[in-house]
Amino acid sequence: EAQVTQNPRYLITVTGKKLTVTCSQNMNHEYMSWYRQDPGLGLRQIYYSMNVEVTDKGDVPEGYKVSRKEKRNFPLILESPSPNQTSLYFCASSLSLGTGNQPQHFGDGTRLSIL
Amino acid sequence: GESVGLHLPTLSVQEGDNSIINCAYSNSASDYFIWYKQESGKGPQFIIDIRSNMDKRQGQRVTVLLNKTVKHLSLQIAATQPGDSAVYFCAENPNSGYALNFGKGTSLLVTP
Repeated sequence: EAQVTQNPRYLITVTGKKLTVTCSQNMNHEYMSWYRQDPGLGLRQIYYSMNVEVTDKGDVPEGYKVSRKEKRNFPLILESPSPNQTSLYFCASSLSLGTGNQPQHFGDGTRLSIL
Repeated sequence: GESVGLHLPTLSVQEGDNSIINCAYSNSASDYFIWYKQESGKGPQFIIDIRSNMDKRQGQRVTVLLNKTVKHLSLQIAATQPGDSAVYFCAENPNSGYALNFGKGTSLLVTP
């Protein structure tokens, strides 16, 4: 089954404790992206990756890091989480974006609470 | 900056009626548009997309209309069912780039 898998689905942690949210897709998609969803603000893009070893900032990249060492994985790293990063996070992938647009497929989300 | 917006934050319709969800966009360079449905506790699910060289596209019970003159996008759902209750997002991809800008969403509630 084609899917985007995020782990963990829920996490409560404390300020300053490094955490990683993993994302994996099994569709051989080139494009992957991370979003955060907050009430009243919709979905905002954090980082995206056009292919292996190619990443770029989205609208709200501060406080986040990403890496794309393999095509299927795109982890989101919070080196020193803060309470304002408490949010619902979504990973998405698509065959392509930009020229030759294809729709993105989303994971089921990771709810992070930073105390 | 330019953004994608929605005319109505909530929409309530009776089961069996048709639903129309609207979206205004302001970036005239946007050339690809997508509608997503998000149910509680789940990620956005792709419904239908349309490219700027088209003004209408139909799927199963859904139709997307694009009016580039007034920068308006709409999603029509025929014979709305209780399972259609969800939040609907429009998204735009400007300049065939790598960003996807989402609207804030419209909540659709289908009543029996």
